[in-house]
Amino acid sequence: GALVYQYPRRTICKSGTSMRMECQAVGFQATSVAWYRQSPQKTFELIALSTVNSAIKYEQNFTQEKFPISHPNLSFSSMTVLNAYLEDRGLYLCGARVGGAEQFFGPGTRLTVL
Amino acid sequence: GEQVEQLPSILRVQEGSSASINCTYENSASNYFPWYKQEPGENPKLIIDIRSNMERKQTQGLIVLLDKKAKRFSLHITDTQPGDSAMYFCAAWDNYAQGLTFGLGTRVSVFP
Repeated sequence: GALVYQYPRRTICKSGTSMRMECQAVGFQATSVAWYRQSPQKTFELIALSTVNSAIKYEQNFTQEKFPISHPNLSFSSMTVLNAYLEDRGLYLCGARVGGAEQFFGPGTRLTVL
Repeated sequence: GEQVEQLPSILRVQEGSSASINCTYENSASNYFPWYKQEPGENPKLIIDIRSNMERKQTQGLIVLLDKKAKRFSLHITDTQPGDSAMYFCAAWDNYAQGLTFGLGTRVSVFP
């Protein structure tokens, strides 16, 4: 079956530092990967959509300068949170797609900023 | 883009009764509507979804209805159990963003 792994599952970083998170699709080739953030007690916001060999599309309030994404092949994507501050804490999910709209979510990376 | 409104935000139901959550969307081009259940501290899990070519779908005590004319879809949990207590999120596929737009969530509490 389709599986999506995310690493790390939990991470803590100091305010002003950066941290990188990874998303790996296993058992299928993801045509695109969408990154979401769930801030504490909030809903999920789409950060960006990454499609191999295409420009990464960022949603309003999210920029490449803050959340650079690398998507080198159909099974791997990584995103970095640069210069993290308190408002960046939350659960970061990657959702991998195979053609259709259904997304397979990874378990998420929970970011705590001190 | 797409915007999704979800109501109610809090829902308390007695064990054995039904729970209903309603969502509306704006973009008539949206064609996929998943529902997620999130336990505390966990990632969201897809529990049921419906595509725009259907009006009703049922699986294991869950029913989803889709009214494309009204741009409304709903989740109905029949015979609620304590294990159904969780946050529930509806979502709609945003064709422009090529991602999901989520509702704000409904906290369902099932009491004895």
